[in-house]
Amino acid sequence: KQEVTQIPAALSVPEGENLVLNCSFTDSAIYNLQWFRQDPGKGLTSLLLIQSSQREQTSGRLNASLDKSSGRSTLYIAASQPGDSATYLCAVDAQGGSEKLVFGKGTKLTVNP
Amino acid sequence: GAGVSQSPRYKVAKRGQDVALRCDPISGHVSLFWYQQALGQGPEFLTYFQNEAQLDKSGLPSDRFFAERPEGSVSTLKIQRTQQEDSAVYLCASSLDRNEQFFGPGTRLTVL
Repeated sequence: KQEVTQIPAALSVPEGENLVLNCSFTDSAIYNLQWFRQDPGKGLTSLLLIQSSQREQTSGRLNASLDKSSGRSTLYIAASQPGDSATYLCAVDAQGGSEKLVFGKGTKLTVNP
Repeated sequence: GAGVSQSPRYKVAKRGQDVALRCDPISGHVSLFWYQQALGQGPEFLTYFQNEAQLDKSGLPSDRFFAERPEGSVSTLKIQRTQQEDSAVYLCASSLDRNEQFFGPGTRLTVL
């Protein structure tokens, strides 16, 4: 059974700092990996999708990497801003017929002005 | 708008009542998913449709949970005889051709 772990569970940083969020998964047979952010009381906003054949994706100040063989992904946020404060969730889509995502519990990020 | 929409946004039910939650996916998206999110946890998969076919319902916690998507567009998640442990946020997502999943704002269900 696929399990996704995110470390740390919470992170507080001063504005302007670069930071890394970690995600690990137990079964390397994934189709793709997706990073989301979730603001309190809201749904999920897709940030980046990395397909299993790719090693990284970039969008603005965000960069996500994927090492499928070791079962790891990192989300790098450059020059953090208070508006980046949210919970960041990592999810994997396992290979096979179902396209369901398996999620980690998330990392709650607070960027202090 | 062009995103996934869900209604109602909030639902309070007395224990034992039936509830129906609606999801309008992004137009043209073939796949539709339902997830359940408990407080402080990541979403957990409930069920998945490809067009009108329910291909995976392995995450439905009991036979009180039922989902349908009769015309391959709008979907309804029904919970019969609600229990307190059903209190959660129910999230709907849609995708095109096994790509990014786009989520709606969710329905927060509180069972008293």
